[in-house]
Amino acid sequence: DTGVSQDPRHKITKRGQNVTFRCDPISEHNRLYWYRQTLGQGPEFLTYFQNEAQLEKSRLLSDRFSAERPKGSFSTLEIQRTEQGDSAMYLCASSPGFEAFFGQGTRLTVV
Amino acid sequence: GQQLNQSPQSMFIQEGEDVSMNCTSSSIFNTWLWYKQEPGEGPVLLIALYKAGELTSNGRLTAQFGITRKDSFLNISASIPSDVGIYFCAGLPGDMRFGAGTRLTVKP
Repeated sequence: DTGVSQDPRHKITKRGQNVTFRCDPISEHNRLYWYRQTLGQGPEFLTYFQNEAQLEKSRLLSDRFSAERPKGSFSTLEIQRTEQGDSAMYLCASSPGFEAFFGQGTRLTVV
Repeated sequence: GQQLNQSPQSMFIQEGEDVSMNCTSSSIFNTWLWYKQEPGEGPVLLIALYKAGELTSNGRLTAQFGITRKDSFLNISASIPSDVGIYFCAGLPGDMRFGAGTRLTVKP
């Protein structure tokens, strides 16, 4: 399968725990985006990378959130000290620059 | 970042009807992207537009890149029940922000 892959698909965690999500982009796509989506809303931009450089971060990305893309390949999104308001679908997309393709998302539930 | 406004927010139509939705931006784009999302899944790219004034079709879907480069339209002809979902627009370059979506319901 050569699409964008996200792992895990579902995560249930207790409030206060740390979680990490992984995104494997389509090979040779130099851009990688992270979004958060809550029910009934459009994807909210969190951050994006051009290769390994993190070019922009949304104000939504509080200091509890951090994203990395070592070597410009896969990316991880970590949420520290999770809160119930972090419950959402986290989407990753990769792009060669002129189109973008999404993974199936990671659904996070904080209990 | 740029703001995208989609309208209408929702549509309830009869199977066989044509559908039209649009997206406007406060910024100029070089690329417009239209996606469809079904429950529990990631958005799926339907159409990409690269040039002002461009009209592109994908089956029953037709999209246009507005000449001001600040708007785009998506039309669906002869709707069928599987067209149900939420349709989003997004623009490039930049941080690729999305509109709030148009929720389409098709009644058989």
